[in-house]
Amino acid sequence: QKEVEQDPGPLSVPEGAIVSLNCTYSNSAFQYFMWYRQYSRKGPELLMYTYSSGNKEDGRFTAQVDKSSKYISLFIRDSQPSDSATYLCAMTTYPGTYKYIFGTGTRLKVLA
Amino acid sequence: DVKVTQSSRYLVKRTGEKVFLECVQDMDHENMFWYRQDPGLGLRLIYFSYDVKMKEKGDIPEGYSVSREKKERFSLILESASTNQTSMYLCASSSGTGGNEQYFGPGTRLTVT
Repeated sequence: QKEVEQDPGPLSVPEGAIVSLNCTYSNSAFQYFMWYRQYSRKGPELLMYTYSSGNKEDGRFTAQVDKSSKYISLFIRDSQPSDSATYLCAMTTYPGTYKYIFGTGTRLKVLA
Repeated sequence: DVKVTQSSRYLVKRTGEKVFLECVQDMDHENMFWYRQDPGLGLRLIYFSYDVKMKEKGDIPEGYSVSREKKERFSLILESASTNQTSMYLCASSSGTGGNEQYFGPGTRLTVT
C-alpha cells in the first residue's frame, strides 16, 4: 500500500463548478500538508501549505485536513479553464525531516 | 517570490555521457532537493542537501551524484547516462530544519538515447 493515495483522474468539470480533489494517507505522523499545481511540462507550483487539522482558505482555493480520517482535500471554487492542470498533494512529518511524500497527482480539466 | 531556476529545460544526451544538471535558488534556503518525476510513479527523491557541502541519499540515488559548493547552487550529476534515466528532473528548495514547504524549479526534461 502506498503511503499516499491520489486518484489520477482525469476529472472533467464545466467552468464555474466547485472542484474537490482528495488524498488519503496511512502515516498518522504526517503533520504538514501541501498542494501543488503542475501544468504540463512545467514544475509544480505551491498552492497551499497547512499544518495539522482544519481549513485554510486562499482566494478560490480551500485546503482541508482531517487527521482523524487521514484525508486531505483541496476545493476550487468557480473553476476556470486556466485551472486545468495536474494537482499534487504532498505531506511530511514533524519538522526535522527532509522526506516529503507526494501523491501521483490528479489531472483536472475545466471545460469552457 | 521564491525563485528556483534550472540550467536547461530540455536536454538530449547519449548513453554513457556524463550529464550535469544545475539548480540555483535565490531565497537563501538551507535545503535543496533533486527529484525525478515519471508517469505513474510520482516524484521520487534522488538526493538532498541541508547545508553547503552536505548531502544525503534519497530513495533512488543509484547512478547519480550531487555537489553543493555554494548555498544557492545544487548540481545533479549523472556519471554515465543510461536510457532508464530519461525523465523529468525537478529541483526544489526549502528553508529551516525540515517540514517547511518546498518550492520547485521549472524542471529539466532529459532524454538519453
